[in-house]
This record gives sequence, structure tokens and C-alpha cells, in this order.
Amino acid sequence: QKEVEQDPGPLSVPEGAIVSLNCTYSNSAFQYFMWYRQYSRKGPELLMYTYSSGNKEDGRFTAQVDKSSKYISLFIRDSQPSDSATYLCAMKGAQKLVFGQGTRLTINP
Amino acid sequence: DGGITQSPKYLFRKEGQNVTLSCEQNLNHDAMYWYRQDPGQGLRLIYYSQIVNDFQKGDIAEGYSVSREKKESFPLTVTSAQKNPTAFYLCASSKGDRLNTEAFFGQGTRLTVV
Repeated sequence: QKEVEQDPGPLSVPEGAIVSLNCTYSNSAFQYFMWYRQYSRKGPELLMYTYSSGNKEDGRFTAQVDKSSKYISLFIRDSQPSDSATYLCAMKGAQKLVFGQGTRLTINP
Repeated sequence: DGGITQSPKYLFRKEGQNVTLSCEQNLNHDAMYWYRQDPGQGLRLIYYSQIVNDFQKGDIAEGYSVSREKKESFPLTVTSAQKNPTAFYLCASSKGDRLNTEAFFGQGTRLTVV
């Protein structure tokens, strides 16, 4: 079993829709949770970072962590075509940083 | 500007050759990482280093080697023992302490075996 599971998609939604991206994990040592956005042939860029259960909001993006269920989510409101990218969840415990497989998202105008 | 610089952006390797990918950061970060990205497989950890002169194997270290002689530099050598080296390689760094653990990435090196 992989330490971090993420549905690879692809996911295609119309412009303006609310998008939900999810990851589950098995390692209870993970305490820090991140979401990255990666455009084609580029390095990932950090979108959001949290280390506590609950919600964290930044503009159109909301990161949600449920440590009891070992489940994290990223919500994108009022999605735009420029949000089309691959979204990667990442988690860290004491040492190494582990990534999910990435979900390829397309927002259709 | 502070950041992580990977070079070269594109690299071609002949069968049987060793090649070294460069990663330099001026963020004063303690921890550095190397990942490999293949289509549909996400990021897989090759090696990571928490401190100068120390590094640990990740999940797919076979056929790769690293060094960490300086805090700002973490070069990756892809050896001839790596049977399928064609991939996109990403270097990352993080401050490493408890409250600043988010990682930042370079723009990647695309390695192709010819």
C-alpha cells in the first residue's frame, strides 16, 4: 500500500465549477500537509500548507485536513481555465516529504 | 532573488554514461531532496539530505548517487547502473525545522537517453 493515495484523474469540469481534490494517507507520523500546482514541464509551485486539522482558506482555495480519517482535500471555488494543471498533495513527518500521484485537472471555458 | 536553480534544463545521455544534474539553492535551507517524475506516476523520492555531509536513500535510489558538501548544493549523478533514466528530475529544498517545513522546487531537468 502506498503511503499517500491520490486519484490521478483526469478531471474535467466547466469554468466556474467548484473542484474537490482529495488524498488519503496511511502514515500517522505525517503532520504537515501541502498542496502543489504543476503546469506542464514546470516545477511544482506551493499553493497551500497546513499542519492542523480543519480548514485553511486562501482566496479561491481551501485546504481541509482530517487527521482522524487520514484524509485531506483541496477545494477550488469559481474555477478558471488558468487553474488547469496537475495538483499534487504532499505530506511530511519527521523527515522525508512524500507526494501523491497528482490529479490532472482541466477547466473548460 | 532567492530560489532553487536546476541545470541544465535539458540533458541527453548516451547509454553507459554517467551524468550529473546540478541543484543550487540560496534560500539557506537545511534540507534538500531529489525526485523523479514519470508520466502518470507522480513524484518518487530518490535521495534526501537533512544536513551537510549527510544524506539518506529514498524509495528509488538504485542507480543514483548524491553528495552534500555544501549547504547550498545537492548534485545528483545518474549512473550507468540506472537502466531507465529517461525522466523529469526535480530538486526541492525546505528549511527543515518544525514550523517551516514546506518545500520549494526548481524548474526541473529533463533527461533523455539517446
